[in-house]
Amino acid sequence: SSELTQDPAVSVALGQTVRITCQGDSLRSYYAGWYQQKPGQAPVLVIYGKNIRPSGIPDRFSGSSSGNTASLTITGAQAEDEADYYCNSRDSSGNHWVFGGGTKLTVL
Amino acid sequence: QVQLVESGGGVVQPGRSLRLSCAASGFTFTNFGIHWIRQAPGKGLEWVALISQDGNIKDYADSVKGRFTISRDNSKNMVYLQVNSLRGDETAVYYCARVLLAGHFDHWGQGILVTVSS
Repeated sequence: SSELTQDPAVSVALGQTVRITCQGDSLRSYYAGWYQQKPGQAPVLVIYGKNIRPSGIPDRFSGSSSGNTASLTITGAQAEDEADYYCNSRDSSGNHWVFGGGTKLTVL
Repeated sequence: QVQLVESGGGVVQPGRSLRLSCAASGFTFTNFGIHWIRQAPGKGLEWVALISQDGNIKDYADSVKGRFTISRDNSKNMVYLQVNSLRGDETAVYYCARVLLAGHFDHWGQGILVTVSS
């Protein structure tokens, strides 16, 4: 198996741009998915594959990848974006799945 | 609309068993694999198990292999997770989630709490 590493906490001023990163060897082979989770709620997929947004996800969310690092960018962060964000991918074997430890985003 | 609804959680003593259920609706069930993912209180997400569309492929996280069993009944649009020999550190909300071909989880249930306590 492999691990995915995220910064535990990130903050952004209202309306500014923030990037949340995820590092792991498996990201050289597999795209990351990104999930938003608010307190008491199930995670919601916000970005997957090569920067694909599911229906209903605002276009201020975007994704990118380079080498062993995947990034989620929120352009013009809103108060409602304050949440925990998790990345995931398959592990290096391709048979199991892994999640990053999560990043708590605070919108100031 | 796509719905996944978990049930079967509750309080269970260490070493005991439980069967979790996931009822799916609003999509062609046999077109999708289903996974179980759990989250301990205040902690991150942990992948637990997967089952393929036809039920022939199953796999488990190392932490649960040999104790948990995933199954599905395509005639009932149901997925099950039999959890045996539960440990105290397995207190968590257990989610079932639909997986896309890309390997990401586009719909999740609301989760069901399993509390392992004597």
